[in-house]
Amino acid sequence: GAVVSQHPSWVICKSGTSVKIECRSLDFQATTMFWYRQFPKQSLMLMATSNEGSKATYEQGVEKDKFLINHASLTLSTLTVTSAHPEDSSFYICSARLAGGAGELFFGEGSRLTVL
Amino acid sequence: EDKVVQSPLSLVVHEGDTVTLNCSYEVTNFRSLLWYKQEKKAPTFLFMLTSSGIEKKSGRLSSILDKKELFSILNITATQTGDSAVYLCAFRGATNKLIFGTGTLLAVQP
Repeated sequence: GAVVSQHPSWVICKSGTSVKIECRSLDFQATTMFWYRQFPKQSLMLMATSNEGSKATYEQGVEKDKFLINHASLTLSTLTVTSAHPEDSSFYICSARLAGGAGELFFGEGSRLTVL
Repeated sequence: EDKVVQSPLSLVVHEGDTVTLNCSYEVTNFRSLLWYKQEKKAPTFLFMLTSSGIEKKSGRLSSILDKKELFSILNITATQTGDSAVYLCAFRGATNKLIFGTGTLLAVQP
């Protein structure tokens, strides 16, 4: 149980285009999902907290107009990187907390974005 | 500012060795501390600790939390090459967000 699926697992796009990454909780409902970004050999940096049915809460320094987050249902959150640039190339990981659970986060497999 | 510091940053051992990874934290409104193992992709959950002095154990891995001294350790006994990974600790505070440390890169040589 507690499986989080993330898609796509890798994507290459041209500079200036937008990329959407999906995060789904497959066998549980997640009222809250989190989006992290990880640069090579660095730890996970929290980008935003995604709440079902409401606006996402962004961490300081994260541009909300660039990283659009939508959490339309209890099992799906999406992250759209708009007008992507090479510096947006990174490993993006989503996680979900089991509603009513003890608080542990379950992670998706991550999405590696390369912007040319 | 809340922060999590892990040490060492990297560690190389031989199979069969025992390792201890450290995680210290300075946080407000501590709720829980979690350990994750990250290999090539996303982190996998190991332990969640909320109470001091109670050891959590899973096979060769164990972890304990000291809320007075604000640290946690992760022990791995009889290490195997499959234990090679980055080990991340994270805390959860009042906001329910998980804040991660920098990680410890463990390399287990045959």
